[in-house]
Amino acid sequence: DAGVIQSPRHEVTEMGQEVTLRCKPISGHDYLFWYRQTMMRGLELLIYFNNNVPIDDSGMPEDRFSAKMPNASFSTLKIQPSEPRDSAVYFCASSPRGLHYGYTFGSGTRLTVV
Amino acid sequence: QQPVQSPQAVILREGEDAVINCSSSKALYSVHWYRQKHGEAPIFLMILLKGGEQKGHDKISASFNEKKQQSSLYLTASQLSYSGTYFCGTASFTDKLIFGTGTRLQVFP
Repeated sequence: DAGVIQSPRHEVTEMGQEVTLRCKPISGHDYLFWYRQTMMRGLELLIYFNNNVPIDDSGMPEDRFSAKMPNASFSTLKIQPSEPRDSAVYFCASSPRGLHYGYTFGSGTRLTVV
Repeated sequence: QQPVQSPQAVILREGEDAVINCSSSKALYSVHWYRQKHGEAPIFLMILLKGGEQKGHDKISASFNEKKQQSSLYLTASQLSYSGTYFCGTASFTDKLIFGTGTRLQVFP
């Protein structure tokens, strides 16, 4: 299996622009998680899906952030408009059966908003 | 609600042992352990479920004391490849996984 695939690996954008991050989970994994990692706040859960349905989005920082999972093999995290404080590494992870199984993380997207 | 890890950093020589602790104020159902190397994604090490079991993989093992809501990760006879930042993640039965602040481990020859 190719693992969890994220794109792009790096993204540099100007403040105010829309940013879309993409994730392909491992086939057969029913749960998908979006995490953000910064030095100050560590690894924060933004949102997670079960069978393509958003279950908990309480970690989404503001209305500028939105996430979708239109099918079992694809998810997006969108930031519109982007701000410098959104600069972070964004990880997507998937799990075969939920919160109490090991997560497989993608390589992450390093986002820089200037 | 974020679990507390200790120590924040550990420096070892090859062959030495280390213990990393993780404690939570919430009633836990599971504790996860991950290792992350600089510039890479976190890698899953092991998970412990409510029941106080101890798990092991090669020279890395962990325990879970559900009464104290604590878990410990034991690294025995450390190798250079053990270097990285170790995160615990804790979850109640129905709630999301929350990661600790991490423990940076450096192993020198």
